Amino acid sequence: ILNVEQSPQSLHVQEGDSTNFTCSFPSSNFYALHWYRWETAKSPEALFVMTLNGDEKKKGRISATLNTKEGYSYLYIKGSQPEDSATYLCASPVYGGSQGNLIFGKGTKLSVKP
Amino acid sequence: SQTIHQWPATLVQPVGSPLSLECTVEGTSNPNLYWYRQAAGRGLQLLFYSVGIGQISSEVPQNLSASRPQDRQFILSSKKLLLSDSGFYLCAYLPEDRSSYNEQFFGPGTRLTVL
Repeated sequence: ILNVEQSPQSLHVQEGDSTNFTCSFPSSNFYALHWYRWETAKSPEALFVMTLNGDEKKKGRISATLNTKEGYSYLYIKGSQPEDSATYLCASPVYGGSQGNLIFGKGTKLSVKP
Repeated sequence: SQTIHQWPATLVQPVGSPLSLECTVEGTSNPNLYWYRQAAGRGLQLLFYSVGIGQISSEVPQNLSASRPQDRQFILSSKKLLLSDSGFYLCAYLPEDRSSYNEQFFGPGTRLTVL
């Protein structure tokens, strides 16, 4: 069974602060890591798919890094804005699973105060 | 383009009543389909998945069931709801080509409150 862990569980920052949070996963048999952004009462929205060790991807003020050898990924938000408030989920495909199942972490809930 | 629909958006049901949530996908064939639930204060939990018509796999034993009567239709049901069934239910699909490393696409969700 693959365990995907996220920390912290929640985070409160002021507008303009930069922040980051962590997703950890078993490093053996790595295939991919997905980051999603989930606003309340909306669909989770895909942010990044990370596949290669050392990958760094960026979308506006949000970026993510990947270390498959040690089994972690960081998500960074530079200059947080209130509209960044959401739950950020990471997920990894089940190794050897032909059904395409993903194992999700519990998420980091970010609140940005104006 | 591919889209996914869920309804209803919100639902308030008494304990012991039946449940039927529907999910449909457009613009893709033979997708894998998934039902997830987020209970209060908890993470996203996979309930059921389906790799084809009539094929259902259950991840968590409970009083819920799922059916896939058509290729792009996925239904979540219960004969008698429990208080613990309250939560936010998400349907998701995985396109057949899996071109993005099993990236799943989510519907808008249903907020279920059991009283």
